[in-house]
Amino acid sequence: GAVVSQHPSWVICKSGTSVKIECRSLDFQATTMFWYRQFPKQSLMLMATSNEGSKATYEQGVEKDKFLINHASLTLSTLTVTSAHPEDSSFYICSAGALGGEKLFFGSGTQLSVL
Amino acid sequence: SQQGEEDPQALSIQEGENATMNCSYKTSINNLQWYRQNSGRGLVHLILIRSNEREKHSGRLRVTLDTSKKSSSLLITASRAADTASYFCATGQRGGGATNKLIFGTGTLLAVQP
Repeated sequence: GAVVSQHPSWVICKSGTSVKIECRSLDFQATTMFWYRQFPKQSLMLMATSNEGSKATYEQGVEKDKFLINHASLTLSTLTVTSAHPEDSSFYICSAGALGGEKLFFGSGTQLSVL
Repeated sequence: SQQGEEDPQALSIQEGENATMNCSYKTSINNLQWYRQNSGRGLVHLILIRSNEREKHSGRLRVTLDTSKKSSSLLITASRAADTASYFCATGQRGGGATNKLIFGTGTLLAVQP
């Protein structure tokens, strides 16, 4: 199956700093990428949808100025958590889909811990 | 919230028994998918059923879909200890641009006792 690479796997940062997470599709062109957040023992919540070359669409309740998404190419999307706070500590997972595709391919996730 | 709901929230069974998980959703869907997530966090795609399909099989997995009731079920037969994981249904919905977006259900934590 298609491969989506997500980095870093885990990151610890101080409160107030910004953290960038990368999501790359390695063997296909990802026209659309999705970013999810998962708190412990909870489900995956969709944060935003990004289409290559256009602005991301954020789900209700997700602050677009706090979670900056860039999808500059068909193989790379980045999520930047700006001015991170302890409540942003969570597991972030990206997924990517090809044009018209039914299936999404998931990265391995990034565990963010904000001290 | 568009999020689907699953029941039971947690299920504990003995090896060899069957496990059934149910998923209900709220909106129109293009497809419904089931995923598994181990405590190590990676998501594993199990099976996809399209909105015009009613049942699908894959190995020990059997999935049903009832679009009139907006519900689906996942049956794992002859369970093994290695099946212990969280299971999520996810509905493929319009709104993801050229690709369907996936909205996940609340999940079922399955524990299979050896």
